[in-house]
Amino acid sequence: DSGVTQTPKHLITATGQRVTLRCSPRSGDLSVYWYQQSLDQGLQFLIHYYNGEERAKGNILERFSAQQFPDLHSELNLSSLELGDSALYFCASSVGLAGGQFFGPGTRLTVL
Amino acid sequence: GIQVEQSPPDLILQEGANSTLRCNFSDSVNNLQWFHQNPWGQLINLFYIPSGTKQNGRLSATTVATERYSLLYISSSQTTDSGVYFCAVAYNQGGKLIFGQGTELSVKP
Repeated sequence: DSGVTQTPKHLITATGQRVTLRCSPRSGDLSVYWYQQSLDQGLQFLIHYYNGEERAKGNILERFSAQQFPDLHSELNLSSLELGDSALYFCASSVGLAGGQFFGPGTRLTVL
Repeated sequence: GIQVEQSPPDLILQEGANSTLRCNFSDSVNNLQWFHQNPWGQLINLFYIPSGTKQNGRLSATTVATERYSLLYISSSQTTDSGVYFCAVAYNQGGKLIFGQGTELSVKP
């Protein structure tokens, strides 16, 4: 158990819908990262928050947005879902701006 | 951007055998991690090793930062070692991890 929690574990939805994925970092960690793992793209970085502020953006679609709340948990919002958004979404956390990251169990999103 | 290449892409072993997985990267890094993704999809953190050598039970890792590669050694492999092993790096003092394509390991009983 990494100490990073993600909910839900599985999510099945339809095209055009909107979903919210939730992540709670390890106790004491200020950084939260989101990654997407799909069959064709592999594991890709989406976005990084540190202590509530956005620090870096990767290959994140405009239909996707994220935020980190004062209690340090983070949410990833995916809207106007398409079939190609089906993937495993991971959250990771670390103590500071860099350094070792610990990954949550992931949320498996299926868009039908 | 930085390139991360892992080899071999696939590996089949008999239980009890040893193996070495390699990760090459194209630029200086401030973070290098090895992960094991099990058949259930979980990403297990094996090592945080931007330089030097570490050991944890049957697993050990070495990163030679000046030559831009890292090695993961698995000794006396077990069927539970099956899965995909990923190397991931961060560079320019940033936090985002760039993942290699992975090595898929299958350990046969």
